[in-house]
Parts: sequence; C-alpha cells; structure tokens
Amino acid sequence: QKEVEQNSGPLSVPEGAIASLNCTYSDRGSQSFFWYRQYSGKSPELIMFIYSNGDKEDGRFTAQLNKASQYVSLLIRDSQPSDSATYLCASSGGFKTIFGAGTRLFVKA
Amino acid sequence: EAQVTQNPRYLITVTGKKLTVTCSQNMNHEYMSWYRQDPGLGLRQIYYSMNVEVTDKGDVPEGYKVSRKEKRNFPLILESPSPNQTSLYFCASSLRGQKTTNYGYTFGSGTRLTVV
Repeated sequence: QKEVEQNSGPLSVPEGAIASLNCTYSDRGSQSFFWYRQYSGKSPELIMFIYSNGDKEDGRFTAQLNKASQYVSLLIRDSQPSDSATYLCASSGGFKTIFGAGTRLFVKA
Repeated sequence: EAQVTQNPRYLITVTGKKLTVTCSQNMNHEYMSWYRQDPGLGLRQIYYSMNVEVTDKGDVPEGYKVSRKEKRNFPLILESPSPNQTSLYFCASSLRGQKTTNYGYTFGSGTRLTVV
C-alpha cells in the first residue's frame, strides 16, 4: 500500500516564527509532490509543488524534496495567524495522487 | 473565474436511494478525480479520469460509479448508498503535462453526504 505519512499535530508556533512541516512517502516511483492548505470547512488549496531534489521558494513558503530519503517538507517563514490551517502533503506517480492525513498548524498571535 | 463546481453542497439521503453528485470544470483540464475525506484518514481517491471516456479506479472505488462523456463534467454516482459512504466528497481537476506530470489540483467546494 503506497502511503504518505504526516504528523497530525497540532503544531503550534508563535506569530513571526518559522513553521516546519514534514512528510514521508513510500512510493519511490512518485514524481511530483505537493503541499495543500485546507482551512476548516473548506476545500484544499494548492500552495506549492516540487519535482526536483532541493529547495523551491515562493514568497514565505519553501518546499524541500529529498528523493533519496523519500522526504518532503514545507517551511513557512514569518508565520501569521492566517496560516493556521491543516496542511496536506501529496505525492503523485502515474495517474494517481496520494494524500497524507494532514498536519494541523496553529499560529499564536 | 477558473473553478470546479460541485453540486449539491449538502445532501442527506436514505440507504439504497440512488444519487448523483455533479462536478464541472471550466479550465479545459484533461484530468479529473473524485476523493472522499474522512477524519483521520485524509483524502482517499475514489476514481479518476485521464480524458473523455477514459476512467480508472482509485483506492476506494467500491460502491461508486463515474462517467466522463464530456471533458468538463465528471459526475459521481452512488447506485445504492450505504451509511459507510457518509463522508465529505471533493471533485478535483488538474492540468497534465507529458509523461503524466501533474501540476496540482483545483478542488471543488465539496459535498457533505449523509446516508441514514
């Protein structure tokens, strides 16, 4: 069974700090990796995708991929209370996309 | 506005009464998919479609049917709903590149289904 594992949290960080979210995946054939943000009662929203080993930065967000370790992470710099949400990690290989169960992030003002 | 539209948003039905949840996207995406989301289990893929008339099973297809007669529409059909299909359902579409490169999903607003 192909899986994506995330710590369910909650991860609590103070406003202005860096939030670090991690996930691991089991399918070595995965080619694409994603981070989605989901506010309570809302649908998931794509915030980052990464295909190559290394870092990818977009504004306050940095995604990191290490295919050898089968590890994906998301860093959120200068965390804001509005970043409080559940963050879903996903991997895609072929035509299927598998999601982790999500990490709840709480940013304290 | 680029979007995926699902209907209805909320549905309560009785066991065994056939229902259809509609999904439509206006982004000309080839790939569409249905997921269900349950507490502690995350999003699980039910069915997906790579293009018109091309569909395949995801990880939890039992009790569901889909069809893709037009590129923009991908309805989810529950022929005989049961209480274990009570869940939050999301339709999603994505742009695909060569060799199945996935550029990420745009999700619909979700359908909360209760089967009693």
